Order: sequence, then C-alpha cells, then structure tokens
Amino acid sequence: DTAVSQTPKYLVTQMGNDKSIKCEQNLGHDTMYWYKQDSKKFLKIMFSYNNKELIINETVPNRFSPKSPDKAHLNLHINSLELGDSAVYFCASSPPRSWTQYFGPGTRLLVL
Amino acid sequence: GDSVTQMEGPVTLSEEAFLTINCTYTATGYPSLFWYVQYPGEGLQLLLKATKADDKGSNKGFEATYRKETTSFHLEKGSVQVSDSAVYFCALSFSNDYKLSFGAGTTVTVRA
Repeated sequence: DTAVSQTPKYLVTQMGNDKSIKCEQNLGHDTMYWYKQDSKKFLKIMFSYNNKELIINETVPNRFSPKSPDKAHLNLHINSLELGDSAVYFCASSPPRSWTQYFGPGTRLLVL
Repeated sequence: GDSVTQMEGPVTLSEEAFLTINCTYTATGYPSLFWYVQYPGEGLQLLLKATKADDKGSNKGFEATYRKETTSFHLEKGSVQVSDSAVYFCALSFSNDYKLSFGAGTTVTVRA
C-alpha cells in the first residue's frame, strides 16, 4: 500500500551510460514532481507534471527527460550520465488545490 | 526570486532539550509556509504548515507561527527525543504555483 514508490532504490553506473528511474503513485493525485538532492542535502525541483502535462521545467540539462505515460507515473530518463549527476532523486505527488507534497523514498544514484 | 533561508546546521542536542530552527523567507506576496522532515534513509514528510499570517502549524510536539512582519516561520519543540533526529526543511509555495521552494535543510541530532 505504498503511496509513492520509486525504482530502483539504488543505482550504480558508469559515466556515459543511459539510465531510467521510475515513479508510481497510488494516491490518485494529479501532479507529480522530480527533485534532486545533492550531497549537502540541498533539494531542488527539476520537473513537474500535471495530468500528464509538463508544467515546471527548471534549468536542467537536456540529458534529463521526464516522461509521464499516465497520471500515476512519472519516469526520469538520464542520457550520458556524468559524475555530477550523482545524487538522491526524489519523486513526489500532490492532490489538486493542495500544496502538500508526498515524497517517495528516493533513488540513490552513483555515477562512477 | 522567492527563497527560503534556514539556520545552518548541524545542530546537536541532548534529549529533552529545547529545539529552535530559524527560517526566514523572501517572497513577493504572501506564500504558504511548510516544514518538512526527512528521517535517515527516507523521503521527506510534511511536518506542519501555515497558509496565512499569524497561523500556527503544529504536529508531533513541533510548532511554527507564520510571522508576516518578520517574514519568519521558526520551528520549535519544547523537549526533543532521539527519534527527532532528522533533517528539517523549511519551504514556501504560492497558491497559483505548483512549486515548493526549499531551504537548505538543517540536520538535527539528538543524543540520549
């Protein structure tokens, strides 16, 4: 009965590879988000989708491409991984007309 | 742009000590204000929120009051426990915006 789930939980890969992180929420929320948390715990929004439509696209390299096949899923694909992409990536969702966001457990990405 | 500034950590306390984490914001208009908590190895959880001036949010013994005159939303707890060890994030959002802007986070460690 996990509310917001992410897979994988850990991801270790080589520079230059392409990888995807998946996110699913079973809360019936309309809006989903991707955040990046760096080693100093600083949290920054990357993307947001509302009803499968992209509504927030912060200054993120175009190697990062979100995809929302339906309201319950928001995946993050990363091309040509770089060392600086190492971080924890959090997915979140929120219901309509609410600022409360529900976070997944995070995906710890390490690029070697 | 809108921003949130939190006191720097880490903060280390003994059990039953009083905890205060300062948070101030810069914004055009009157945002809603939040405290999120991240326990070790987990995603963020909403701790409390306040949507207008003089509102007090409270949860799990934590409190914060929205002070428009000082643009602050300081988090307090009168008697902390070891289980309160976590990273605490102050955040703001506007009603016409899906985005949460987070502070840098404050790591709190409570020792028995």
